[in-house]
Amino acid sequence: AQSVTQPDIHITVSEGASLELRCNYSYGATPYLFWYVQSPGQGLQLLLKYFSGDTLVQGIKGFEAEFKRSQSSFNLRKPSVHWSDAAEYFCASTGGGNKLTFGTGTQLKVEL
Amino acid sequence: SAVISQKPSRDICQRGTSLTIQCQVDSQVTMMFWYRQQPGQSLTLIATANQGSEATYESGFVIDKFPISRPNLTFSTLTVSNMSPEDSSIYLCSVLPGGSRNTEAFFGQGTRLTVV
Repeated sequence: AQSVTQPDIHITVSEGASLELRCNYSYGATPYLFWYVQSPGQGLQLLLKYFSGDTLVQGIKGFEAEFKRSQSSFNLRKPSVHWSDAAEYFCASTGGGNKLTFGTGTQLKVEL
Repeated sequence: SAVISQKPSRDICQRGTSLTIQCQVDSQVTMMFWYRQQPGQSLTLIATANQGSEATYESGFVIDKFPISRPNLTFSTLTVSNMSPEDSSIYLCSVLPGGSRNTEAFFGQGTRLTVV
């Protein structure tokens, strides 16, 4: 069965600093990969997705993610974090079907 | 894209009672799902709501506890039955407008349920 791992439960960064959130997947073939953000009291918003092709994908709000097959990773990055980026971030994948498997999430705190 | 309206947004319920959550989509969608997010946890798929047939439940979830209706391609309900405090969670409706796995899943705002 497929699984998604987010090793970091909490991350704190200073505003303006760079950010990298880690995500590892477990699936025999290449999964479809997603990053979602959940702000307090809000639903989930898609930041970006990877299906195939260029392994560096650009998303909304200045986020990008890089798919590395050799490391089974799909880490999310942002060069300069803004205070409004404080939220919970979920990595997710679909394997052979339509159902999303979510990681446990990473709570991002931004220090001013 | 798809706009999802989920009701109620939150509720506080007595144990032993049931709550029905509604999910309305602004367009016809083939795939509709219900997720649970327990406090401080990730999202867990409860079931796939199938139009015109019984829902498909994931391991650990049963129809008697979480009956689901899907009368048409734009609407679904999830009932949380005989509630206990352990059912306190956020319940989210999700749709895949394209119906295939490489399309974006859209989520409702969620229903925050507290059972006392």
